[in-house]
Amino acid sequence: ETGVTQTPRHLVMGMTNKKSLKCEQHLGHNAMYWYKQSAKKPLELMFVYNFKEQTENNSVPSRFSPECPNSSHLFLHLHTLQPEDSALYLCASSPPIEGNEQFFGPGTRLTVL
Amino acid sequence: AQKITQTQPGMFVQEKEAVTLDCTYDTSDPSYGLFWYKQPSSGEMIFLIYQGSYDQQNATEGRYSLNFQKARKSANLVISASQLGDSAMYFCAPVGTALIFGKGTTLSVSS
Repeated sequence: ETGVTQTPRHLVMGMTNKKSLKCEQHLGHNAMYWYKQSAKKPLELMFVYNFKEQTENNSVPSRFSPECPNSSHLFLHLHTLQPEDSALYLCASSPPIEGNEQFFGPGTRLTVL
Repeated sequence: AQKITQTQPGMFVQEKEAVTLDCTYDTSDPSYGLFWYKQPSSGEMIFLIYQGSYDQQNATEGRYSLNFQKARKSANLVISASQLGDSAMYFCAPVGTALIFGKGTTLSVSS
């Protein structure tokens, strides 16, 4: 256990649904990240938050909407997704200083029908 | 921006043998670092080991060690005495604000 939790662990949704992924850490970290891992592709960074402020959006489509209400929680709101969005979505956190390793959650395996 | 190359899509090793997973990087920064992560089939990413460019010695962490060759820009992960539980994907990533991972290497350990 890394101290980073993600819920749900598995999610199946239709293209017209709206759902949210949740990430939580109580490690005292101030940086949080969303990554996407598709089959046969390298892990891709999606969003970075530092002290609740979004500092990076890696050209992610607007159907993915992140939210960071505080330093311990990170959400990824999903709406009108496409089947190609099916992937493993990983959340990570780290101390704010660049160079610290990131602690990853177990991931949410998303299937879009 | 740093670029990571992992050239081995898959590696096969028997239990108790040592295995080396390759990682080369391309950077112009004089100071940098590299992480190795393990991803078992469950999906979570597990931090293994870190190497800083100014570290005098190769990093070691239990059965994991890095063969760090700065001039060749390589930081290969060596796993000694492989165990069945080592079967997983292994990723190399440069230190940065966010991690940019290589394509990874799938390690399969057989008995």
